[in-house]
Amino acid sequence: GAGVSQTPSNKVTEKGKYVELRCDPISGHTALYWYRQSLGQGPEFLIYFQGTGAADDSGLPNDRFFAVRPEGSVSTLKIQRTERGDSAVYLCASSLLTPASGISAFFGQGTRLTVV
Amino acid sequence: QKEVEQNSGPLSVPEGAIASLNCTYSDRGSQSFFWYRQYSGKSPELIMSIYSNGDKEDGRFTAQLNKASQYVSLLIRDSQPSDSATYLCAVNGGTYKYIFGTGTRLKVLA
Repeated sequence: GAGVSQTPSNKVTEKGKYVELRCDPISGHTALYWYRQSLGQGPEFLIYFQGTGAADDSGLPNDRFFAVRPEGSVSTLKIQRTERGDSAVYLCASSLLTPASGISAFFGQGTRLTVV
Repeated sequence: QKEVEQNSGPLSVPEGAIASLNCTYSDRGSQSFFWYRQYSGKSPELIMSIYSNGDKEDGRFTAQLNKASQYVSLLIRDSQPSDSATYLCAVNGGTYKYIFGTGTRLKVLA
């Protein structure tokens, strides 16, 4: 596609429920990132995929969070037993190469998750 | 100490003035630096990247990098009300991770 696409754009869920957030990166981008952004804060790194594998998941806050990218394209961020503190905008980004090479990442429009 | 630090602002400048946005980073090994603009309720969009010491100009925007001082800045010339947004500084953390600051909110007054 022309840009990074995230669905849904908004998600309201009850505390304790399971949610899935989807990201469709720019075609051909092998690097895919998930970030979380709370109000007034910068994006906080969650996980990085290179191809199908999670090269770094050190930013995932706990084991309720999990992400997959089975075919090296679309990725799904999964949150189990949601808590009110999980409420944030979840951003997906993709890039051709890594930032050390000076290549920039491009963001999707985000999914606003609200846990009530 | 945060890895990437920015003054949260708001930074208010009159229309037509130069806006100067600053960012410091802690990792001397950082190689690439990025400025993103984020309008309220929208996702970050890339403005510029820079990886060599000195200045890099693109239209009304100039990025400045000083690796010795671990400092990167963004200048916006002839500021317009449409430039009012939050500006995020990002640096590479290791080879593949982008580390963001909290952003500086810019208000351009008409």
